[in-house]
Amino acid sequence: GESVGLHLPTLSVQEGDNSIINCAYSNSASDYFIWYKQESGKGPQFIIDIRSNMDKRQGQRVTVLLNKTVKHLSLQIAATQPGDSAVYFCAENKGGTSGSARQLTFGSGTQLTVLP
Amino acid sequence: DGGITQSPKYLFRKEGQNVTLSCEQNLNHDAMYWYRQDPGQGLRLIYYSQIVNDFQKGDIAEGYSVSREKKESFPLTVTSAQKNPTAFYLCASSTVGNYGFTFGSGTRLTVV
Repeated sequence: GESVGLHLPTLSVQEGDNSIINCAYSNSASDYFIWYKQESGKGPQFIIDIRSNMDKRQGQRVTVLLNKTVKHLSLQIAATQPGDSAVYFCAENKGGTSGSARQLTFGSGTQLTVLP
Repeated sequence: DGGITQSPKYLFRKEGQNVTLSCEQNLNHDAMYWYRQDPGQGLRLIYYSQIVNDFQKGDIAEGYSVSREKKESFPLTVTSAQKNPTAFYLCASSTVGNYGFTFGSGTRLTVV
């Protein structure tokens, strides 16, 4: 089946630098995307979302960019802090088959490590 | 505060034993979900429910059962038929369109 994939399994950045985490998706019918942050032993936390009628959305220190032409999603974290160290994964929301719920499909995640 | 609560945080199961994981939400969400997460892997859907008294199998439903008698509650039973139940289990809820998709804090199940 179709799945959301991530380009890099691990990413290390210096504290204070900007981080960019990438995600490729394959379903052109997906119309809603979400980024989650998951710390060890905890449930995923919502970071930011974007609908397919937008190219960019900004939150506090985070920006999500959506390129529908190449089916690519990225999460940018400005001035990365030690507390940002976690696994980040994206999810795409696509329509289900007739009568079924719309489904979120999750990538396996990128481990972000912030170096002092 | 609105949220989704999973209990217990840690659970130990003996071989051949059934165990039930609790999931409660007060977000007034119609849809609820159970996912399994193994180390270094993504989330795999076990079961989901869009409305009370209705639920659908996900990708890895074998060895699991659920019920949805109340909108707020979606318990998951890990049966003895599940041969490799050790994992981190996540419950989630959302509106029917998957907006506001929110996770609980998870239950770590270990077979002893």
